[in-house]
Amino acid sequence: GEKVEQHESTLSVREGDSAVINCTYTDTASSYFPWYKQEAGKSLHFVIDIRSNVDRKQSQRLIVLLDKKAKRFSLHITATQPEDSAIYFCAAGDDTNAYKVIFGKGTHLHVLP
Amino acid sequence: GGIITQTPKFLIGQEGQKLTLKCQQNFNHDTMYWYRQDSGKGLRLIYYSITENDLQKGDLSEGYDASREKKSSFSLTVTSAQKNEMAVFLCASSILGVYAEQFFGPGTRLTVL
Repeated sequence: GEKVEQHESTLSVREGDSAVINCTYTDTASSYFPWYKQEAGKSLHFVIDIRSNVDRKQSQRLIVLLDKKAKRFSLHITATQPEDSAIYFCAAGDDTNAYKVIFGKGTHLHVLP
Repeated sequence: GGIITQTPKFLIGQEGQKLTLKCQQNFNHDTMYWYRQDSGKGLRLIYYSITENDLQKGDLSEGYDASREKKSSFSLTVTSAQKNEMAVFLCASSILGVYAEQFFGPGTRLTVL
């Protein structure tokens, strides 16, 4: 079945700099890649997703890139702010079951003043 | 908008005990999920229910039972708690549809003594 690797377990950036979180997946047929954010003491909430018919999607300061050949996708957070500090989870839709997504282990982003 | 409520917030059990976690949502969503979140391991799917009368096993269903009592509620039972087990159990819901955004509850933190 699908496996999702999230490469950075921790990432620290200076406020105002960009942060990049990278993920890879194993199933060539996967077509849906959401990202979720978990702030300290809170539950997860959806932030952005990308589907395989595009290779770039932007929502305000969040950009998601998808490289289907390399089976790699990434979340770019530009002009980081303190409230961006959180754990970010990448995920990939299970190609055999549209109700399942497989989550990565999470990246703890610290935005330093 | 809507909200997902999970009870209890904290659950302390004894080894071998049967423990039940409850989830309620008022989004009027058809699909509900139970995940287990372990530190450093991301989220793993235990059970999900596509519609009110459906129940499906996830990747981590062994040792658990689930019940969809009605459209708005989904319960998870740990059939025999394992000593020193610690995890957070997250309930989520979504509309009925392919790769739909999931909305998460605040979680139940389980500790087994």
